[in-house]
Amino acid sequence: DIQMTQSPSSLSASVGDSVTITCRASQRVERYLNWYQHKPGKAPKLLILLASSLASGVPLRFSGSGYGTDFTLTISSLQPEDFATYYCQQSLRPPFTFGPGTRVHIK
Amino acid sequence: EVQLVESGGGLVQPGGSLRLACVASGFTFSSYSMTWVRQAPGKGLEWVSFINNSTSMIFYADSVKGRFTISRDNAENSLFLQMNSLRAEDTAVYYCARGTARDSRDFDNWGQGALVIVSS
Repeated sequence: DIQMTQSPSSLSASVGDSVTITCRASQRVERYLNWYQHKPGKAPKLLILLASSLASGVPLRFSGSGYGTDFTLTISSLQPEDFATYYCQQSLRPPFTFGPGTRVHIK
Repeated sequence: EVQLVESGGGLVQPGGSLRLACVASGFTFSSYSMTWVRQAPGKGLEWVSFINNSTSMIFYADSVKGRFTISRDNAENSLFLQMNSLRAEDTAVYYCARGTARDSRDFDNWGQGALVIVSS
């Protein structure tokens, strides 16, 4: 199975900050890597698919990059509504594992 | 507007069974893959099971293989998860989600979740 790791596990930031989250796969997943945002009590939301494609309706301050085993999610100017937990997920082969999550909270 | 509404959650004893349903609207259900993802209390997201639009591709996480069965009724726009031999560690909010295409493993629309509690 492909294992996913994320770093950091949590971070504190201020509105307007640029934030980068890293995701690493235990095997190459090529570009089959997605990013989701999840807030307590809400449905998860797809942000980025296939490593770098912005999902429909997602603000341009979100961007993704990477290929193979190493990926990043960047939020260029953090907004109040961006405080949440972010997960990467590989979609290359089953089980379609999620990373452990990165919680972004207010400094 | 795409909508996914889960139902069937509740309290069940260890070893018991439960059947979750997810009713879809706002899109052509038969053209999209579907999946179940869960979140245990205080934990992260865990992928559970996947089914493509034609049911020719079905996958399960090792943690539920042999106990859970995913199915769909395209005529009724519904996705199901039959959960047998439930364990305390199956306690979670269960989300259904839609893939972006018939075989897609990228999940772009999610329901609000159904809570399953396994406890005596």
